[in-house]
Amino acid sequence: KAGVTQTPRYLIKTRGQQVTLSCSPISGHRSVSWYQQTPGQGLQFLFEYFSETQRNKGNFPGRFSGRQFSNSRSEMNVSTLELGDSALYLCASSLEGVASGRSGDTQYFGPGTRLTVL
Amino acid sequence: AQKITQTQPGMFVQEKEAVTLDCTYDTSDPSYGLFWYKQPSSGEMIFLIYQGSYDQQNATEGRYSLNFQKARKSANLVISASQLGDSAMYFCAMREVNNAGNMLTFGGGTRLMVKP
Repeated sequence: KAGVTQTPRYLIKTRGQQVTLSCSPISGHRSVSWYQQTPGQGLQFLFEYFSETQRNKGNFPGRFSGRQFSNSRSEMNVSTLELGDSALYLCASSLEGVASGRSGDTQYFGPGTRLTVL
Repeated sequence: AQKITQTQPGMFVQEKEAVTLDCTYDTSDPSYGLFWYKQPSSGEMIFLIYQGSYDQQNATEGRYSLNFQKARKSANLVISASQLGDSAMYFCAMREVNNAGNMLTFGGGTRLMVKP
């Protein structure tokens, strides 16, 4: 079974631009979560999508948004890029995510998209 | 207060020896899961092992085992017979089922370096 895929793997943008990142979950997984990883703040949760609905959101400004399609693929968008948005953006998929009452609904991560904002 | 604390920023271990990576956590949710992930320099987070708060036995997966001490709120990862390929960042993470949905809260990580 194929793992989580993310495109593109690398991006270079300038301040003020916007960017869209894509994530394809493991087949059969319905939940997709996004995380931002930076040297200063570590790994931080952005949001989770399940059945095309945002179920949970981390503490990020409204410039960060996302969506999920009917095939569970997800995109996240960052508008008006700032230097501080430079990070590794990781996508993770799980079977049911927040809909599962089981603590062990494991999240499997993709290789990440490394975004550099100049 | 930090929800997940990893007190060892970096560690060295000799190849073929065992190593323990520490993780302590803080939650009021009675239903939670603890996860360990490995992140090589390539960046991908690789799932290693999971322990549920209601699990009576410590989890094991091949060379990985989790030393779960619920009363002390610790979930240390033990890697037996270290290999050069084990050199990576290791993250402990927690999912609080009732308090935080599917969100994983991560510790700051431990960089493990295996010496030949």
